[in-house]
Amino acid sequence: NAGVMQNPRHLVRRRGQEARLRCSPMKGHSHVYWYRQLPEEGLKFMVYLQKENIIDESGMPKERFSAEFPKEGPSILRIQQVVRGDSAAYFCASSQRQGDNSPLHFGNGTRLTVT
Amino acid sequence: QKEVEQDPGPLSVPEGAIVSLNCTYSNSAFQYFMWYRQYSRKGPELLMYTYSSGNKEDGRFTAQVDKSSKYISLFIRDSQPSDSATYLCAMSTGGGNKLTFGTGTQLKVEL
Repeated sequence: NAGVMQNPRHLVRRRGQEARLRCSPMKGHSHVYWYRQLPEEGLKFMVYLQKENIIDESGMPKERFSAEFPKEGPSILRIQQVVRGDSAAYFCASSQRQGDNSPLHFGNGTRLTVT
Repeated sequence: QKEVEQDPGPLSVPEGAIVSLNCTYSNSAFQYFMWYRQYSRKGPELLMYTYSSGNKEDGRFTAQVDKSSKYISLFIRDSQPSDSATYLCAMSTGGGNKLTFGTGTQLKVEL
């Protein structure tokens, strides 16, 4: 887990504010995935990115959520106008290459609390 | 019905016991099967990774996949208190790492 770095570890936002979650993948990894873990539920896929490209965003809510992975710097998951239902643990994972023979390695997550 | 079903537990066993954890799934297109271990307040850690049916062994851990029954298992031999965690099964159909997870089984290994 130590290889994928996420920050902040904990984030508290009031309803209506914006949340920005950052993820630096493992060294040598150029594929980034975001997952959300709600209480009593399993991890749910949100989005898959490569450098400067969104490959699959089929798990992203249609509104308020966006993600990017710029050429330089970490991947960012952005949630605008947060609501209480956005409270969850958000995990970033990375892999070395595309495909299922390249397992995912997860960070320790950002725990978002919306008050 | 969820695509992946996993008994949430908690499962409590004495140290040294053999632990059996299981998942069932409904999507016959799943080809890649994984087990992750997640300690409290940490991210999932990959334990086992298998493709299609069969067995795979790594130290005290053995993963089994039975695609005909849509059933996967993880066995832990000589369980230790440090194995106490939540175990997540995950699977994918192929073409990427878009995983479908079970809800996890909480395991406690007691001295």
